[in-house]
Amino acid sequence: RKEVEQDPGPFNVPEGATVAFNCTYSNSASQSFFWYRQDCRKEPKLLMSVYSSGNEDGRFTAQLNRASQYISLLIRDSKLSDSATYLCVVKGYQKVTFGIGTKLQVIP
Amino acid sequence: GAVVSQHPSWVICKSGTSVKIECRSLDFQATTMFWYRQFPKQSLMLMATSNEGSKATYEQGVEKDKFLINHASLTLSTLTVTSAHPEDSSFYICSASGRRNTEAFFGQGTRLTVV
Repeated sequence: RKEVEQDPGPFNVPEGATVAFNCTYSNSASQSFFWYRQDCRKEPKLLMSVYSSGNEDGRFTAQLNRASQYISLLIRDSKLSDSATYLCVVKGYQKVTFGIGTKLQVIP
Repeated sequence: GAVVSQHPSWVICKSGTSVKIECRSLDFQATTMFWYRQFPKQSLMLMATSNEGSKATYEQGVEKDKFLINHASLTLSTLTVTSAHPEDSSFYICSASGRRNTEAFFGQGTRLTVV
C-alpha cells in the first residue's frame, strides 16, 4: 500500500461546480498535512495546511480525519484558474510524502 | 513563507557530461532536503531524502552513483547528475523542510535537457 494515495483523475468539472478530493495516508504517526497546487511545468506551491478542526480559505476547505486517516479538499464555485494538479502531502519525522496528485480541469 | 532557491533553472548539456544543481534554503535551516524528478505529464517522483550531515537515502530504482547528493550544511544541498544521458532529461525539483512541523518549501525546479 502506498504511503499516500490519491485518485489521479482527471476531474473535469464545469465552472461554478463544487469538487472534492480525498487523500488517504497509511502512517498513523504522521504529524502534519497539507494541500499543494502544481501548475503545468511549475514547482508545487502550498495551497493550505490541513487541521482536524478544518481549515477554510475562501472557496477552499480542507479537512483532516485522523481516525480514518484521510484528508480532503473541497473547492466551491470552481474557476477556470483552479485548473491544476492538487497534491496531498503528509509530513512525519524527517519525512515528507507526496501523493501523485489529482488533476482538475475546470471547463467553461 | 520561507524561500528555497534552486539553480540553474534550466540547463542543456552534452551526453556524458555531469551537471550540478544547487538548492539553498535562504531564511531557515533545512534539516531535511528532498530531491524529486518529474517527467512530462507525470507526478513528482521522490529520488532521495537527505538529512544534514548524513548520507542521502535513495528511493528504489534511483542509482546513488549516478545521482550524487550532498547536504553538507543546513542551507545547501546539491544534486549532481553524473554522465548524463538523454533519458535523464527531466524536471528536477528540490524541497526543504525544517525542524518544526511546517510545510515543505520547494525550489523553482531545474529543467535539464541532455543532448
